[in-house]
Amino acid sequence: TQLLEQSPQFLSIQEGENLTVYCNSSSVFSSLQWYRQEPGEGPVLLVTVVTGGEVKKLKRLTFQFGDARKDSSLHITAAQPGDTGLYLCAGTSGGYQKVTFGTGTKLQVIP
Amino acid sequence: GAGVSQSPSNKVTEKGKDVELRCDPISGHTALYWYRQSLGQGLEFLIYFQGNSAPDKSGLPSDRFSAERTGGSVSTLTIQRTQQEDSAVYLCASSYYTDTQYFGPGTRLTVL
Repeated sequence: TQLLEQSPQFLSIQEGENLTVYCNSSSVFSSLQWYRQEPGEGPVLLVTVVTGGEVKKLKRLTFQFGDARKDSSLHITAAQPGDTGLYLCAGTSGGYQKVTFGTGTKLQVIP
Repeated sequence: GAGVSQSPSNKVTEKGKDVELRCDPISGHTALYWYRQSLGQGLEFLIYFQGNSAPDKSGLPSDRFSAERTGGSVSTLTIQRTQQEDSAVYLCASSYYTDTQYFGPGTRLTVL
């Protein structure tokens, strides 16, 4: 069974601070996605990374895929209250691209 | 176009009763997924339909859970003889083959 462990599980920070969320596995994935979920809604895709070592930036968010394609990180610069939510990583593998979701990181940004 | 819709948005039932949860995927999407999410945690895969292929049921936690997808579109997840541990948010997602999954808002199931 493939597992994706995220750390930390919970994070409460002040507006303007930086933070990093980690997503780790012992399995290799063909691609990895990051989602954000707000209360009462389904997850919304933020980014997909497919190449080992790849770095993608989305405004204040920086995503990195590990060289061995087993881990990923999400770094947020100068966090804002609108960044509050549940962040989920998800790895894709297998012939029909089965998706395994991580355990989630709940972020709260305090104004 | 319309996104993925799910109904009902909330369902409260008594232990031992059967429930049916519905998912309307995005029109034209070939794949449909069901997930379960407890207490704002990660998503637990339940079942995956892709076109006319046999569904991947490997995530269903017990034989009380079943799902069907009629006409390659609407899907129903059925839970028989519900238990309190079945309480969770049930999320549906659809995609065009293996492209991006688009999620519905979920059905919050509470078993008393």
